[in-house]
Amino acid sequence: DTGVSQNPRHKITKRGQNVTFRCDPISEHNRLYWYRQTLGQGPEFLTYFQNEAQLEKSRLLSDRFSAERPKGSFSTLEIQRTEQGDSAMYLCASSRQGKAVNEQFFGPGTRLTVL
Amino acid sequence: ELKVEQNPLFLSMQEGKNYTIYCNYSTTSDRLYWYRQDPGKSLESLFVLLSNGAVKQEGRLMASLDTKARLSTLHITAAVHDLSATYFCAVDRVSNFGNEKLTFGTGTRLTIIP
Repeated sequence: DTGVSQNPRHKITKRGQNVTFRCDPISEHNRLYWYRQTLGQGPEFLTYFQNEAQLEKSRLLSDRFSAERPKGSFSTLEIQRTEQGDSAMYLCASSRQGKAVNEQFFGPGTRLTVL
Repeated sequence: ELKVEQNPLFLSMQEGKNYTIYCNYSTTSDRLYWYRQDPGKSLESLFVLLSNGAVKQEGRLMASLDTKARLSTLHITAAVHDLSATYFCAVDRVSNFGNEKLTFGTGTRLTIIP
């Protein structure tokens, strides 16, 4: 079990550019979550997948954001036309459905800086 | 809307002392989680509390849950420098869409002073 992995770990981009992040969950976990964390705050829920189905999106997720999880394995989060306010740590977490506890395991995160 | 509040937000304490971090939440939930985050790092799961009266201990940390009061505490005993980190509580709630998601508190930044 290698845990949740995310790539890249750091991304610096110019305003208006598109960026894409990848998350590989723990292999037997069918639930996958994306969160955003800004400095000094707790993580905020963005979106949730169960297998390949995206079941919920936060209102924080504007139409510039899109997430996919093809085949229910890895997931990607794309931000189009980035803005300075998008600068944050983007965290991915996974858990396994069917357990009494929805304990989520977090990846190392991708830190995005928009110049 | 579910709100999760922690206090204090910042805590400096001397090595060897005891202290408690409090986590209050606004709506009914039977599951509460504590996470630790080191600077620039991701979140590490510490405790999962599943029912009223639940108490869990690991080393110098002990967490408890009172679902009637909607309160969880994280107690630190005889603090050591290695415990310096930010601690988050999170509440698990089934959303209107039938999905479980975590709502995090604001975090408590703990600094242990030699």
